[in-house]
Amino acid sequence: GQQVMQIPQYQHVQEGEDFTTYCNSSTTLSNIQWYKQRPGGHPVFLIQLVKSGEVKKQKRLTFQFGEAKKNSSLHITATQTTDVGTYFCAGGDNAGNMLTFGGGTRLMVKP
Amino acid sequence: GAGVSQSPSNKVTEKGKDVELRCDPISGHTALYWYRQSLGQGLEFLIYFQGNSAPDKSGLPSDRFSAERTGGSVSTLTIQRTQQEDSAVYLCASSRGQGTYSPLHFGNGTRLTVT
Repeated sequence: GQQVMQIPQYQHVQEGEDFTTYCNSSTTLSNIQWYKQRPGGHPVFLIQLVKSGEVKKQKRLTFQFGEAKKNSSLHITATQTTDVGTYFCAGGDNAGNMLTFGGGTRLMVKP
Repeated sequence: GAGVSQSPSNKVTEKGKDVELRCDPISGHTALYWYRQSLGQGLEFLIYFQGNSAPDKSGLPSDRFSAERTGGSVSTLTIQRTQQEDSAVYLCASSRGQGTYSPLHFGNGTRLTVT
């Protein structure tokens, strides 16, 4: 079945530094979604990418979908303490069956 | 509008007892997922319902776990003869359409503690 791997598992950064998490799928994806889970909270949808090579931005967050639609990345510029949490990617298979989540990247920001 | 509602929010039970966890998805959402999340860990997929199709049960960890979805709406996850390793947060999520393009809306989860 489809597998979605996410790296790194954990990342500590100093406030103001940049951060990137990477997501890789064993199969071609129909779309990729990104979620953020604050400590003690539940995952909340951030964005969806559908097209090959697509790039979307949300303020300091930049999301990319690879040309082969098998990988994706989330880059945060100049992290802030409010960015703390776990970031999950979720890939949709081309059969349109269900989303598969990556293991998540836990971001910790030192003020 | 109302989001995904899960009850109870917390459940403490003794080892060996059965528990039922409830999920009320957003009205009109045809897809419903159950996940389990241990402290500091990722989302472990349990089961997926899509409309009237047979559910995908491939993530259920043992035959002590079962789930049903009545009338395409409310879902109940049942854990029989609970074990301490079942302690975790159980998250339910729903989405609007068929297929994988619709974002998931998560409930606040049920924190299960087995003593």
